Amino acid sequence: DAKTTQPPSMDCAEGRAANLPCNHSTISGNEYVYWYRQIHSQGPQYIIHGLKNNETNEMASLIITEDRKSSTLILPHATLRDTAVYYCIVRVAYDSKLTFGKGITLSVRP
Amino acid sequence: DVKVTQSSRYLVKRTGEKVFLECVQDMDHENMFWYRQDPGLGLRLIYFSYDVKMKEKGDIPEGYSVSREKKERFSLILESASTNQTSMYLCASSEKGLAGYNEQFFGPGTRLTVL
Repeated sequence: DAKTTQPPSMDCAEGRAANLPCNHSTISGNEYVYWYRQIHSQGPQYIIHGLKNNETNEMASLIITEDRKSSTLILPHATLRDTAVYYCIVRVAYDSKLTFGKGITLSVRP
Repeated sequence: DVKVTQSSRYLVKRTGEKVFLECVQDMDHENMFWYRQDPGLGLRLIYFSYDVKMKEKGDIPEGYSVSREKKERFSLILESASTNQTSMYLCASSEKGLAGYNEQFFGPGTRLTVL
């Protein structure tokens, strides 16, 4: 079973920030939070990951709460091409496998 | 750019046929994975391999086998295809894990239909 829960869907307006929530209340100290996304008809694509500090890269920011029980992926200026299913995944550091849940479908509207 | 390629984008086979799905990666990655993706069920891990000739079962290995004779190639085999194996099959690869970072790179997928 996936160790994360995400709402099934959300939408946002193009150009606005998209804040995608994820709950991982049973996360343990050696588990990282990963985000992937899957655009229609493509394979999943890595976005970002973190342990306990907030992280930012060219695609997104990841905000992890202090107790690490939840996190938020932020797409600062959503575009139509960001419409996709976004997966929040918890993974132990030494484990190569990923367990995908159902993800959240983000729809960016013009 | 990392490239993971899969032999076919679309494949149609008949029940009982032996089916080979091929995956090749060009980044010298140690780990390779096969998933299937079905509506409402998300991605599920079938098998993975962390080295040549090594394999481990994922969450749903029944009805499948795999082969990894060369580092760059990982094959998924359906010994006797059945209609419930109609699905999207995705291959991925990754480096042997650095602690905390292990990005998987995915291929475009093969949509298999078993009639």
